[in-house]
Amino acid sequence: AQSVAQPEDQVNVAEGNPLTVKCTYSVSGNPYLFWYVQYPNRGLQFLLKYITGDNLVKGSYGFEAEFNKSQTSFHLKKPSALVSDSALYFCAVRDNTNAGKSTFGDGTTLTVKP
Amino acid sequence: NAGVTQTPKFRILKIGQSMTLQCAQDMNHNYMYWYRQDPGMGLKLIYYSVGAGITDKGEVPNGYNVSRSTTEDFPLRLELAAPSQTSVYFCASSYRQYEQYFGPGTRLTVT
Repeated sequence: AQSVAQPEDQVNVAEGNPLTVKCTYSVSGNPYLFWYVQYPNRGLQFLLKYITGDNLVKGSYGFEAEFNKSQTSFHLKKPSALVSDSALYFCAVRDNTNAGKSTFGDGTTLTVKP
Repeated sequence: NAGVTQTPKFRILKIGQSMTLQCAQDMNHNYMYWYRQDPGMGLKLIYYSVGAGITDKGEVPNGYNVSRSTTEDFPLRLELAAPSQTSVYFCASSYRQYEQYFGPGTRLTVT
């Protein structure tokens, strides 16, 4: 069975500081990893993904994430946080043989203070 | 492209009533999904489909039914609504196993 853990319910950072939102995963095959963002009363929006290739992937709005196979992690990062980055962030995983099912983490609320 | 559209946006049901949540996508995606999101929680997969005529259960299928007669549409049927089905429902689609595109959601209250 595949699973995702987002160990922090809440992350608080000051505007301009770097941010990290953590994600660890467990799958039986090679992972497909995704980050999504949800703003209040909206659906989820895709930010970035790792399928294969470079371990550092870049996505929308200046976000990036680093795939670490040995630590089974896929942490989301941004060098300089903006107040507008405040939202709920979800990590998701699926293996490359599981036809239809992604597993989502419980989400991390990011608050960026001015 | 409209992307993924869902109707209605809001609905209040009485216990025991039934309804269909509509979902449509215009991206020619073969995979479609229904999730529910309870307050302060992540997403739970209800049903998914990998193509027209093919559906399968997710984590929490009880009390729901789906059909997929076309690539574009993936309606979710609630039979005999219960208060435990009060939630926000999201439909999503993807090209094969890649990133999912989500609709705006339907906020359902069962009283």
